[in-house]
Amino acid sequence: EIVLTQSPGTLSLSPGERATLSCRASQSVSSSDLVWYQQKPGQAPRLLMYRTSSRATGTPDRFSGSGSGTDFTLTISRLEPEDFAVYYCQQYTRSPLTFGPGTKVDIK
Amino acid sequence: EVQLVESGGGLVQPGGSLRLSCTASGFTFTAFGMSWVRQAPGKGLEWVSGIITSGDTTYYADSVKGRFTISRDNSKNTLYLQMNSLRAEDTALYYCARRGIPSYWVDVWGQGTAVIVSS
Repeated sequence: EIVLTQSPGTLSLSPGERATLSCRASQSVSSSDLVWYQQKPGQAPRLLMYRTSSRATGTPDRFSGSGSGTDFTLTISRLEPEDFAVYYCQQYTRSPLTFGPGTKVDIK
Repeated sequence: EVQLVESGGGLVQPGGSLRLSCTASGFTFTAFGMSWVRQAPGKGLEWVSGIITSGDTTYYADSVKGRFTISRDNSKNTLYLQMNSLRAEDTALYYCARRGIPSYWVDVWGQGTAVIVSS
């Protein structure tokens, strides 16, 4: 099983600041088979990024993804009020598909 | 509009069974693998199970293998999750998801159905 670790657990920032979220895999994730989801309280998750760096429909261009192998990053260039949420990475290279524990981005 | 609507959740005693259903609409159901993802109260996301388009191949998390069975009825655009030998740790909101099998990320989520395992 590929174990994903996300850091930090919580990121406290102000609107307008840059957020950098990390996702590290215990084994190499092939073909950049990594996605990011955003989840707000009381809502289902929403696909944000797929194949590491491709934005899903509706994802603003202030979101960007990068990485390969075992180290991946989600960057939010300038935080907007609606970006404060929990972010999960997930690998879909092989079963079982696994999620990271999440990074909560909250308002400082 | 692409939509996934779950049903079948509820309160069940430890050791009991429950069957979840997910009705899909707004897309060609037979063209997509499907999956279930759960989220325990206040916790993160856990992928539970996935099934390919034909239903011939299924995948399970170790935590549910041997207890849960995923299936689909393509004539009814419906995905199922049969849950047996339920435990307290199975208490969660269960999301139906489009795709979510190896090589395919989840791109659409339902709103979830709550399962509570308690005596």
